[in-house]
Amino acid sequence: DGGITQSPKYLFRKEGQNVTLSCEQNLNHDAMYWYRQDPGQGLRLIYYSQIVNDFQKGDIAEGYSVSREKKESFPLTVTSAQKNPTAFYLCASSIWGGSNQPQHFGDGTRLSIL
Amino acid sequence: SQQGEEDPQALSIQEGENATMNCSYKTSINNLQWYRQNSGRGLVHLILIRSNEREKHSGRLRVTLDTSKKSSSLLITASRAADTASYFCATDGGGYQKVTFGTGTKLQVIP
Repeated sequence: DGGITQSPKYLFRKEGQNVTLSCEQNLNHDAMYWYRQDPGQGLRLIYYSQIVNDFQKGDIAEGYSVSREKKESFPLTVTSAQKNPTAFYLCASSIWGGSNQPQHFGDGTRLSIL
Repeated sequence: SQQGEEDPQALSIQEGENATMNCSYKTSINNLQWYRQNSGRGLVHLILIRSNEREKHSGRLRVTLDTSKKSSSLLITASRAADTASYFCATDGGGYQKVTFGTGTKLQVIP
């Protein structure tokens, strides 16, 4: 079955630590996205990538970094510079980038601070 | 950034009733999408409506778009307990590159 796999499902971060969230898709989609969702809130865009080896900052990129070395993979690193990382992180993909394309989501990673 | 605002924030109905939720936005759009999110899960795409369309249907779902009022509505007919979820609209603010999600309507369907 095609889809998006996020791992791990739960992640804990210590002070001063960087952590990396995995996102893999086998849908052959060009575009991929990372969102952050806080309790009772909508999604806020962190980074997006419309093609391999290219990505753009979203609305809340500070304290985060990404890479897009392979079409299937778009890992997100939450750095120690992100002072409030506790949230639900969602990865999505679409056939190509654009607001006329539906996005397919993974089931998220819940990040908490130890 | 431009954002859709859903209304109401929460809605509780009996199974079999219809549920209507609304999305208002601030600037002209090219496309508007509706998504569903079950608790603790990712979002699922429901319907995309373009700015030159006024209404779209998908099964028990009906979406309308009024660009003059900058608003859209999602109607779920004959609701079921399985429809219990949060529903989000996503707008593009007139651009094409990305969408912005609203804060959602939390729907509870009571069996």
